Amino acid sequence: GAVVSQHPSWVICKSGTSVKIECRSLDFQATTMFWYRQFPKQSLMLMATSNEGSKATYEQGVEKDKFLINHASLTLSTLTVTSAHPEDSSFYICSASRVREGERNQPQHFGDGTRLSIL
Amino acid sequence: RKEVEQDPGPFNVPEGATVAFNCTYSNSASQSFFWYRQDCRKEPKLLMSVYSSGNEDGRFTAQLNRASQYISLLIRDSKLSDSATYLCVGADSSYKLIFGSGTRLLVRP
Repeated sequence: GAVVSQHPSWVICKSGTSVKIECRSLDFQATTMFWYRQFPKQSLMLMATSNEGSKATYEQGVEKDKFLINHASLTLSTLTVTSAHPEDSSFYICSASRVREGERNQPQHFGDGTRLSIL
Repeated sequence: RKEVEQDPGPFNVPEGATVAFNCTYSNSASQSFFWYRQDCRKEPKLLMSVYSSGNEDGRFTAQLNRASQYISLLIRDSKLSDSATYLCVGADSSYKLIFGSGTRLLVRP
């Protein structure tokens, strides 16, 4: 099955630090990857859609200068939380969809998630 | 109103019971639907896709009613390992997923 790897799985750092999270599709090409955030006891909320070779599309209310997304290849997208503060502490999860020509509605496969704690 | 709504539960059932979860969606443009399972502090894992014709995978049966904008998941012969949060998810044509807040299931011995 499709495998999506996310790294690191857990980060604890001081306020003001920038944190980079990587999301890799290991056995398929993903032209589109998605970044979600989940606060305790809440559902996943889409932050942005990451498109290979172009700018990410951010959801309303998500600061693009705060959450920098780079999708440099068909297997790698990165999310950088710049100058992180305690309120940015959350569970960040990426996903990727195996996109094949002529196929639609492919389910998304999720990375393991990154638990970010800002002190 | 949320785009995808679910009863948060928890549903507390004994082993072997049959349990059903319901979900409604408000965006008629949603094209495909899924049920994901999420264990505590873990990433969601795809349980099954949902089709209008209904689909079954072992003890799990999913159904989609587009006219009523309603999705269901039936779990038969519940196992202890079924305890988790079940997420109802809709997707539009751009593959963007909209998650429900999840229904928590607790299966007791």
